[in-house]
Amino acid sequence: GQQLNQSPQSMFIQEGEDVSMNCTSSSIFNTWLWYKQDPGEGPVLLIALYKAGELTSNGRLTAQFGITRKDSFLNISASIPSDVGIYFCAGPGGSNYKLTFGKGTLLTVNP
Amino acid sequence: NAGVTQTPKFHILKIGQSMTLQCTQDMNHNYMYWYRQDPGMGLKLIYYSVGAGITDKGEVPNGYNVSRSTTEDFPLRLELAAPSQTSVYFCASSIDGIPMNTEAFFGQGTRLTVV
Repeated sequence: GQQLNQSPQSMFIQEGEDVSMNCTSSSIFNTWLWYKQDPGEGPVLLIALYKAGELTSNGRLTAQFGITRKDSFLNISASIPSDVGIYFCAGPGGSNYKLTFGKGTLLTVNP
Repeated sequence: NAGVTQTPKFHILKIGQSMTLQCTQDMNHNYMYWYRQDPGMGLKLIYYSVGAGITDKGEVPNGYNVSRSTTEDFPLRLELAAPSQTSVYFCASSIDGIPMNTEAFFGQGTRLTVV
């Protein structure tokens, strides 16, 4: 089935720093999604990408749909303590529109 | 707005026991999903449903069963619980299947421990 490789696995940064994480796929995706999971909660959609090369922002978050359609990047600028959580990339897996998730990037922000 | 509601939030189950994890959504979504989340492993799809009366297996269906008698409810049944089923379980729903409507709304999760 579809595989998503997400990196890095974890990041420890200081408040105010910028963050970058990425996701690669073993096959072409037509949609890339980025979710954030706060501790003890379910994932919440941050950004959805629909076209190769697309660059989309949501506040301090910016995500890009790679030209090859096999990768995507998420950047967070000027991190704050509430950015702490697990960030997941996700995309449609297989022919039945099932959502496949990466293993997540655990972000810790030191105030 | 309730969204996706899961019960219980926590549960301890003995090996060999059975239980049902409840999930209900009030958004009239057609698609519903059950995922399990293990530490460092992301979310893996157990079962999904494209509408009332229709269910299908995901990546890791063994040891689980589901039913979808109404649009709102999608319970997950564990038969003969095993320690390997210790996990956090998430139910989600979306209007249509990904990628036609991309936002899947998640419940808060059920943390299950099998001892």
